[in-house]
Amino acid sequence: GAGVSQSPRYKVAKRGQDVALRCDPISGHVSLFWYQQALGQGPEFLTYFQNEAQLDKSGLPSDRFFAERPEGSVSTLKIQRTQQEDSAVYLCASSLIAGGPLDTQYFGPGTRLTVL
Amino acid sequence: KQEVTQIPAALSVPEGENLVLNCSFTDSAIYNLQWFRQDPGKGLTSLLLIQSSQREQTSGRLNASLDKSSGRSTLYIAASQPGDSATYLCAVRGNTGFQKLVFGTGTRLLVSP
Repeated sequence: GAGVSQSPRYKVAKRGQDVALRCDPISGHVSLFWYQQALGQGPEFLTYFQNEAQLDKSGLPSDRFFAERPEGSVSTLKIQRTQQEDSAVYLCASSLIAGGPLDTQYFGPGTRLTVL
Repeated sequence: KQEVTQIPAALSVPEGENLVLNCSFTDSAIYNLQWFRQDPGKGLTSLLLIQSSQREQTSGRLNASLDKSSGRSTLYIAASQPGDSATYLCAVRGNTGFQKLVFGTGTRLLVSP
């Protein structure tokens, strides 16, 4: 079946613009994660959904970042008033169940955001 | 706060060599540890997952070990091939909270023919 997909794959924004990044998880996956990966760094956790409930948003760097998953499937990460430090690859991951011992996260290809 | 470190940051080897990548973590209260591979412009692919109660996992030419008490894991790659060239990331999942992964900064591997 299809894996996790993300769109757009590349996004260039002028500083101050709002952007929206989309994630389509694997069908039926309960858990959905967003990570931010700066150049040369490992991914860093942003937020976690279990179905439509946002259970952890401790990694969101500021109130300019907002994520939603209204129907428990597709998720959107929105960044308002983008700044240059927001430039990174944004990765989405999904997993089948919540909290199982062998619960592997499957990652999408990411959206590379460049803020000029 | 969990911190994950990977050494070396980059590694270049000729084809056929066996190699070891290292990962260390500061908080031993982990649920599991995973090794991922990341190719340029692509997402992460899970290679091996080791539960906290396990000592090692093997898949083909890959072997990952875990010493939870000392906060260390190694990824052993046997008979390396040019197709193994990628960035390898180690990630740990904690015992508390939800399933978020804490990643290291990765080891960039280049295997030359």
